[in-house]
Parts: sequence; C-alpha cells; structure tokens
Amino acid sequence: KQEVTQIPAALSVPEGENLVLNCSFTDSAIYNLQWFRQDPGKGLTSLLLIQSSQREQTSGRLNASLDKSSGRSTLYIAASQPGDSATYLCAVSDAGGTSYGKLTFGQGTILTVHP
Amino acid sequence: AAGVIQSPRHLIKEKRETATLKCYPIPRHDTVYWYQQGPGQDPQFLISFYEKMQSDKGSIPDRFSAQQFSDYHSELNMSSLELGDSALYFCASSYPTAGANVLTFGAGSRLTVL
Repeated sequence: KQEVTQIPAALSVPEGENLVLNCSFTDSAIYNLQWFRQDPGKGLTSLLLIQSSQREQTSGRLNASLDKSSGRSTLYIAASQPGDSATYLCAVSDAGGTSYGKLTFGQGTILTVHP
Repeated sequence: AAGVIQSPRHLIKEKRETATLKCYPIPRHDTVYWYQQGPGQDPQFLISFYEKMQSDKGSIPDRFSAQQFSDYHSELNMSSLELGDSALYFCASSYPTAGANVLTFGAGSRLTVL
C-alpha cells in the first residue's frame, strides 16, 4: 500500500527566504506526482504535476523535482512571500491503477511566511 | 473559467440522518473523484466515475453510495450518519489528455454531524 510522508510537518520562515519542502513515497511505481496548496478550510489548488518520466517542473517561483527511484520529491519555493502561507500537500498516483486520479496524499507541510 | 461546483458548501445533520452532496464538474470533464478530508487529516480517496461508470473505489463506507449522471454531475449519498463522518468532502474532475491527468478540485462541502 502506497504511503506518502512529508517533512517537515510545519515550517515558519521570514519573508524572502528560499525554502524546500520534502515528500517521500514508499512505492516507486507511480504514474505522476502532484503538489497542491490548501488554504485553511478551502479546496485544493494544483501547483505542479510531474509525470513519472520527468525529473522536474517549474512554475514561477516554484520548482518541483522528482527522483522516482528513491521515492522522493522536493518543492522549492524561491523568495517566499506572506501570501505563500498555506498547507502544501504532495500526492502520488499509482501506476497500474484503474483511475489515475486516485491519489494518495501526504499529511502536508504547514508553511508560515512572516513579514 | 468555470470550476468544479459543489453544493451545499455547508451541511449540518444529526446522527443517523441522511445527506446528499452534489458535484458539477468542469464542462467536458468526463471523470469525477470524491475525497474525504477529516479534521487535521489528509484527503482520502472515496470513489471515482468515468463516463458515468464507477472506475475505482477507495475507503468508502458501505453506508455511502455515489453515482454519475448523464450530464456528468455526481452525487454522494451518505446514510446513517455517524459523528466520524464530519469532514470536508471534495469533488474533483479531470479530462485526461496527452497522458496527463490534472485534477481540478472543488471548494468542498463541509459536513458536520451532531
């Protein structure tokens, strides 16, 4: 059974810092990996999707990498801003499943960026 | 741009009552997924539908049922509600293209069982 772990559980940084969020998964046979952002009590916003054949994806100040063989992904946020404060969730879609949208989520990293 | 619409946004029910949540996917999206997120928990996959047929099933209790209709909207029916059913229920939709499968999530329906 796939298990996804995110470290750290919480992170507090001053504005302007670069930071890295970590995600690990136990079964490397994945279809893709996604990073989501969730504001308190709100829905999930997809930030980046990395296919299993890809090594990284970039969007603005965000860069996500994937090392499928070691079961790890990192989300790099450059020049953090208070508006980046949210919970960041990593989720994997297992290969061989009948539904590519059947995601296994990590517990998330609660990020606080203070001015 | 149209997003995934969920209704109601908030619902309060008593134990043993029944609740129905509705999900309207993005136009032309043919696949719908339901997730349950308990307080302080990560989202857990419940069930999915592709072209009105159940495509996958996760940790959905037998007290719950769901279906996708001809207009692709989906409904999650929950009966004999328990306190532990209190959660945020997300619906997501997708239209797989070029091997990618980006899910667009709705804002969620918050169910409180008293």
